[in-house]
Amino acid sequence: ETGVTQSPTHLIKTRGQQVTLRCSSQSGHNTVSWYQQALGQGPQFIFQYYREEENGRGNFPPRFSGLQFPNYSSELNVNALELDDSALYLCASSSGDTDTQYFGPGTRLTVL
Amino acid sequence: GENVEQHPSTLSVQEGDSAVIKCTYSDSASNYFPWYKQELGKRPQLIIDIRSNVGEKKDQRIAVTLNKTAKHFSLHITETQPEDSAVYFCAAPRTGRRALTFGSGTRLQVQP
Repeated sequence: ETGVTQSPTHLIKTRGQQVTLRCSSQSGHNTVSWYQQALGQGPQFIFQYYREEENGRGNFPPRFSGLQFPNYSSELNVNALELDDSALYLCASSSGDTDTQYFGPGTRLTVL
Repeated sequence: GENVEQHPSTLSVQEGDSAVIKCTYSDSASNYFPWYKQELGKRPQLIIDIRSNVGEKKDQRIAVTLNKTAKHFSLHITETQPEDSAVYFCAAPRTGRRALTFGSGTRLQVQP
């Protein structure tokens, strides 16, 4: 296992609601990246946080937002949920001086 | 990074045979190429990676080769076993970021 944890494991929401997903990075890692993985596809980059600042964003709308805390844990917030937001949300942590990313177990979000 | 194409999408081999998965990338500045294995319902797990200063790297039955001129890299699995059955993803760094662009995945099935 990688030492990266995520909560909750599963979540069911209805369209229009808001959701917050959480990630604890591996000890010593100061960078957290969030990915969305739709069924049967590869992970798609949402955004990355480095030392509490957003450090790059993929092609996702502003209703996807995030935070990183002083202990380098992170949150992903999604507002105004849409059916297409149903996916596995993965966070990955890395240290600032390497490209190697280690994934958490993911949060399975279902939007009804 | 930026655009990563992966082939084939599915691959079925007999136990003991070799399997090869190929990826191409578009950003000539990319210098780090990881491969992840994802079993059903689990997190992507880093199995091997290669950096652009080497052309080949081996770890027991797994090897990765890199051709920077042609901008492609490949995963080779020898003496395949049923437990190698999973979805494999290649990835390359997003331009200017320590986040990853993933290929679309290869579903490998090893028939006993």
